[in-house]
Amino acid sequence: DIQMTQSPSPLSASVGDRVIITCQASQDIGNYLNWYQQKPGKAPKLLIYDASNLKTGVPSRFSGSGSGTDFTLTISSLQPEDIATYYCQQYDNFPFTFGPGSKVDMK
Amino acid sequence: QVQLQESGPGLVKPSETLSLTCTVSGGSFSSYYWTWIRQSPDKGLEWIGYFYHNGNTQYNPSLRSRATMSLDTSKTQFSLKLTSVTAADTAVYYCARCLGVIMAFDIWGQGTLATVSS
Repeated sequence: DIQMTQSPSPLSASVGDRVIITCQASQDIGNYLNWYQQKPGKAPKLLIYDASNLKTGVPSRFSGSGSGTDFTLTISSLQPEDIATYYCQQYDNFPFTFGPGSKVDMK
Repeated sequence: QVQLQESGPGLVKPSETLSLTCTVSGGSFSSYYWTWIRQSPDKGLEWIGYFYHNGNTQYNPSLRSRATMSLDTSKTQFSLKLTSVTAADTAVYYCARCLGVIMAFDIWGQGTLATVSS
């Protein structure tokens, strides 16, 4: 199985801060990488697919980049509603696997 | 607006079978991969498998021998059966729609907690 790691967690930031979350795959997965946001008690929500494509309706302060084994999710200006845990997920190989999550909270 | 809703028993005894159903409303079954994912504090998010409307299925090898998925297009439901459950199968189970060409889970149910305990 492809192992996904994420850092940092937890991450404390202030409103307006630029937040960067990294995700690393144990082998080359091309750009087959998605990002999700999960708030407590809720299901995850898709934010970004194929490493850098923003899902329709997701605020433009979210962006993704990377390919191969190293990826980043960036929140350009943290808002209170962005407090959540963020997960990456690869689909290059079966079984699809998720990272352990990066929890973002307010400083 | 497509919506997914899981249903199933909240409590299952060890060694028994966990049966879950996901009802899809507001959309078509065609062209999508219908997926089960579970989440537990120990294992995090774990993909269980998917079912395509033409019968194509993929399972996580860690569960393959115990998991069976099926689709009931007349009821717009898909289901998961997990046999011989143990406490390690205690989790929140989500059904989700997978886009297919891009294997991203774009719509999720709210999740249902399944606890394995005697």
